[in-house]
Amino acid sequence: EPEVTQTPSHQVTQMGQEVILRCVPISNHLYFYWYRQILGQKVEFLVSFYNNEISEKSEIFDDQFSVERPDGSNFTLKIRSTKLEDSAMYFCASIRIGTGIETQYFGPGTRLLVL
Amino acid sequence: KQEVTQIPAALSVPEGENLVLNCSFTDSAIYNLQWFRQDPGKGLTSLLLIQSSQREQTSGRLNASLDKSSGRSTLYIAASQPGDSATYLCAVNSGYSTLTFGKGTMLLVSP
Repeated sequence: EPEVTQTPSHQVTQMGQEVILRCVPISNHLYFYWYRQILGQKVEFLVSFYNNEISEKSEIFDDQFSVERPDGSNFTLKIRSTKLEDSAMYFCASIRIGTGIETQYFGPGTRLLVL
Repeated sequence: KQEVTQIPAALSVPEGENLVLNCSFTDSAIYNLQWFRQDPGKGLTSLLLIQSSQREQTSGRLNASLDKSSGRSTLYIAASQPGDSATYLCAVNSGYSTLTFGKGTMLLVSP
């Protein structure tokens, strides 16, 4: 069964450094998402992406964050200057059409630790 | 703004028991509701999706119900097994497929 994959599984970085989290959505899916989960807290929506542009973003997704689909398969989340509070599990998700009636498929996540 | 609440926060049961997990949401204008399973340190596995027009969905030992007007959903697990131990998350889709999650119910099924 097709899966959403994410790399790396774990990343440790110093505060102020840039990080890029990578995702490969399911191949025929058209809508892509990033969510994050701070330890012990709810999964929170960050951003959705369709047709090479952001569809929706939350208050969390400020100027430090950006997303890109650099080629036909990868979907990336960049954090330009990491802060301690960016430490979290970051999940990528995708759905095929985005009609609101489909299951969202999540990747296994990238655990980011900012020191 | 949609808020999703799940109770109980944690539940411990002996193997074989039937159990119910609860989810409530504040805005009844939803497209669908999804139940996920999350194992410690892992990703989210979709268990069931209920459309706003549906009342329930079943998959194996799992049954999810939806009462949109009252803003409630339940996940019923029959004949629980130790392998069911995980955190169960409820998430509602209020538009554009963006999901709003509850904090989850941590379930422990003891042999």
